[in-house]
Amino acid sequence: AQSVAQPEDQVNVAEGNPLTVKCTYSVSGNPYLFWYVQYPNRGLQFLLKYITGDNLVKGSYGFEAEFNKSQTSFHLKKPSALVSDSALYFCAVRDANSNSGYALNFGKGTSLLVTP
Amino acid sequence: DAGVTQSPTHLIKTRGQHVTLRCSPISGHKSVSWYQQVLGQGPQFIFQYYEKEERGRGNFPDRFSARQFPNYSSELNVNALLLGDSALYLCASSRLLQRASNYGYTFGSGTRLTVV
Repeated sequence: AQSVAQPEDQVNVAEGNPLTVKCTYSVSGNPYLFWYVQYPNRGLQFLLKYITGDNLVKGSYGFEAEFNKSQTSFHLKKPSALVSDSALYFCAVRDANSNSGYALNFGKGTSLLVTP
Repeated sequence: DAGVTQSPTHLIKTRGQHVTLRCSPISGHKSVSWYQQVLGQGPQFIFQYYEKEERGRGNFPDRFSARQFPNYSSELNVNALLLGDSALYLCASSRLLQRASNYGYTFGSGTRLTVV
């Protein structure tokens, strides 16, 4: 099955510093990868996706992600963190199981805390 | 346009009871998916419907069922509730089935179900 792993439960960064939230994937075939953000008591908001093409994907709110096939990684990055970026971040991969339609398999999430 | 709307936002049920959760997709969206998010974990896929037909099913027991109506709204039903069913239930919609996986779903804010 297609899966992703987020090795860090929490990432702490000071406002203005660059941030990275890590994600590695395990897929058969070409990966369809996504990043979502979840604020407290809210649903998931789509940030960006990788389907094909450039390895550096730009998304919403100044976020970007780098697809690295040799390292099977899809890390989320932002050059300068804001306090308002503090939230729960999920990496996801499209499932290739024919029984699951076009479902997404999510990682367990990484809590990002940006301190002033 | 209104986003994906889910009702109710919160509810409390007793073990053994039945619950119905509702979702209205974005106008023009024909695909609806349901996810369960247990506290501290990533969302888990339950069902996907497109044009009123089930197109995918996750690894959930038969106590979970769903349907999609002619207006593309959807219901998720859970019978014989267990304590472990306590979770945030998320609904996601997209215009098309294939494009959903490529361009990201739009999620609602969820229904918080507590089973006591």
